[in-house]
Amino acid sequence: DGGITQSPKYLFRKEGQNVTLSCEQNLNHDAMYWYRQDPGQGLRLIYYSQIVNDFQKGDIAEGYSVSREKKESFPLTVTSAQKNPTAFYLCASSQVSGANVLTFGAGSRLTVL
Amino acid sequence: DAKTTQPTSMDCAEGRAANLPCNHSTISGNEYVYWYRQIHSQGPQYIIHGLKNNETNEMASLIITEDRKSSTLILPHATLRDTAVYYCIAPAGGFKTIFGAGTRLFVKA
Repeated sequence: DGGITQSPKYLFRKEGQNVTLSCEQNLNHDAMYWYRQDPGQGLRLIYYSQIVNDFQKGDIAEGYSVSREKKESFPLTVTSAQKNPTAFYLCASSQVSGANVLTFGAGSRLTVL
Repeated sequence: DAKTTQPTSMDCAEGRAANLPCNHSTISGNEYVYWYRQIHSQGPQYIIHGLKNNETNEMASLIITEDRKSSTLILPHATLRDTAVYYCIAPAGGFKTIFGAGTRLFVKA
C-alpha cells in the first residue's frame, strides 16, 4: 500500500537534546512538508520541499532543520534551539502538478521532559 | 492563501446531513477550495476539492456559491465516526498550504 510512514510515533526527549523525526513516502510524490500542531490548534508549516536537494522555510522554521537527499525521505531535526518543542508533528506529501492534494502521515508526538 | 473563515464548532445528529460552511471572500479566480478532516490524534485526511462547479465523491459533496466567496461541505448521513475537525483551505498556488483552526464537528447519537 502506498502511503507515508512517520517514526517514531511517540518520542521523549530531555531538554538540550536534538531529535530527528523520520518521514518516508512511497507515493512517488515530489513535494513533502512538515507541520507542527499544538493542542486545540491548527497546523503550522515548518518546512517544505518541492524537489530533491531543495527546501524552503515555512512560518515557524526557527529551531528546526531538514534535509531532502532522496525523493522518498524528508527527515526533520528538532534542535535544542527550539524553545517549546513539545507538539504533534505531521509530515505530508503531494504531487507538484495538478491538484495539490496533501497526503499525511499518522504523526509523531514529541514530549520534552 | 485566501483567508478562510469557519465556525469554531457544530453539532449534528447521527443520520442527519452535516452542513459545514466556509467563507473565502478573498479567493481569486484560479484558487481551488479544499476540505480535509482530522480525527483526534491522527493525520488530516483529504475529503474533496473544487473550483467552480459543485463536486461529489464517496465521502461528501461540495457546494460552491456562484461568486465563489463561500462553500459548504455536506456529509449526507453523518455517523459517529464523522466526529472530527474539518478544515477548509484555499491555497494560493505554490506549496505553502496553510491550515487554520477548522470546525470541530460533534456527531451525536
